[in-house]
Amino acid sequence: EVQLVESGGASVQPGGSLRISCAASGVTFNSEAMTWVRRAPGKGLEWVSGISGSGGVTYYANSVKGRFTISRDNSHNTLFLQMSSLRAEDTAVYYCARSANLIKHLDSWGQGTLVTVSS
Amino acid sequence: DIQLTQSPSTLSASVGDSVTITCRASQSISTWLAWYQQKPGKAPKVLIYKSSTLETGVPRRFSGSGSGTEFTLTINSLQPDDFATYYCHHYSTYPWTFGQGTKVDIK
Repeated sequence: EVQLVESGGASVQPGGSLRISCAASGVTFNSEAMTWVRRAPGKGLEWVSGISGSGGVTYYANSVKGRFTISRDNSHNTLFLQMSSLRAEDTAVYYCARSANLIKHLDSWGQGTLVTVSS
Repeated sequence: DIQLTQSPSTLSASVGDSVTITCRASQSISTWLAWYQQKPGKAPKVLIYKSSTLETGVPRRFSGSGSGTEFTLTINSLQPDDFATYYCHHYSTYPWTFGQGTKVDIK
């Protein structure tokens, strides 16, 4: 059974940085594309970033391009999202999710980790 | 970027009703569309992918259809467990996007 567990969410000041993680089990991690999706309070789902199984291909939403970096450590089955220059509008629950590859739907999701950007 | 517009934003229905949610894409996405259900405090769960393929384990009262720019999710004989928010999602090209969501609540 696939398990995705996010961690690292915290309260951060505007302009600050934070790295969140997603630990995967029950999958052949290095063959799975991974994605970050967020949901801000009172809003809908927003796709944030995706990465190929090897880590060699990455994609970003325009709203986070240049501020967020997605990466993965396949030796430890872990996905990361490094967030910098954080803004109030980045406040959200961040979910990691997997797809078979970069052109497949998201078939497994973690429970999410809360990032709050506030002074 | 491809925009997805869902309608309605909110839908009030009773147990046993059949309901339909529409998702329109700003340009053709072939059948690269999925539907997810999300309940408060929970992770989204995929119901339908490739426009009309039912995910394993999802009840057959859920069905999807459409191609190009017009898609629908239909729930037949609504059950108490189905009251939730539903999102469409395209994975045709990057950047991916989601519809704004449709909340199905109890009439």
